[in-house]
Amino acid sequence: SYDLTQPPSVSVSPGQTATITCSGVKLVDKYACWYQQKPGQPPVLVISQHTERPSGIPARFSGSTSENTATLTISGTQAIDEADYYCQAWDSSTSSYVFGTGTKVTVL
Amino acid sequence: EVRLVESGGGRIKPGASLRLSCAAFGFTFKNAWMHWVRQAPGKGPEWVARIKSRIDGGTIDYAAPVIGRFSITRDDSQNRLTLQMNNLETEDTGVYYCILGRYEFEFWGRGTLVTVSS
Repeated sequence: SYDLTQPPSVSVSPGQTATITCSGVKLVDKYACWYQQKPGQPPVLVISQHTERPSGIPARFSGSTSENTATLTISGTQAIDEADYYCQAWDSSTSSYVFGTGTKVTVL
Repeated sequence: EVRLVESGGGRIKPGASLRLSCAAFGFTFKNAWMHWVRQAPGKGPEWVARIKSRIDGGTIDYAAPVIGRFSITRDDSQNRLTLQMNNLETEDTGVYYCILGRYEFEFWGRGTLVTVSS
């Protein structure tokens, strides 16, 4: 099976930059994307296809992907950005969709 | 406005069956790829199944843990997605979300809770 690994937690001060990584083999070829989930709510897509921001997502969210690592960057982090973040990819070899292990972002 | 409304969840015993339904609004359902994703309490999301649009071949794929037990279907005339779940296990407990998307999950319903417990 295809695995995506994220750090369990990231802490950031308000106004600073939060960086969340997601590691997977040849992730650059697998439509990596990112979701934000707040307690009691379904996840929300914040980055699609490595770098694209869906309508309504603030510009402080950005994404990038190198060979094996996708990165979600939150610039000028705000208290409302405190949430769980999950990466996700589509694995064509198994026609399956995989989520990362999740990262809890705390804004201190 | 895209809306996805799940129903059919509940509390059932291991080995039983349950049928989830999703009503879709605000987009051309027959052209959409649709998914079910579940989330166990305190855990991350887990993809369950996908059905492509008929125009894209209607291909169905399942996550390994549900192969042979779950069945995803669509009714394009009713804008409805269903998930038939048989031989349920305690590990199937969670919130089940209906989702619109192709390679990513663009729009999520609010989910319906399935609890499998003796």
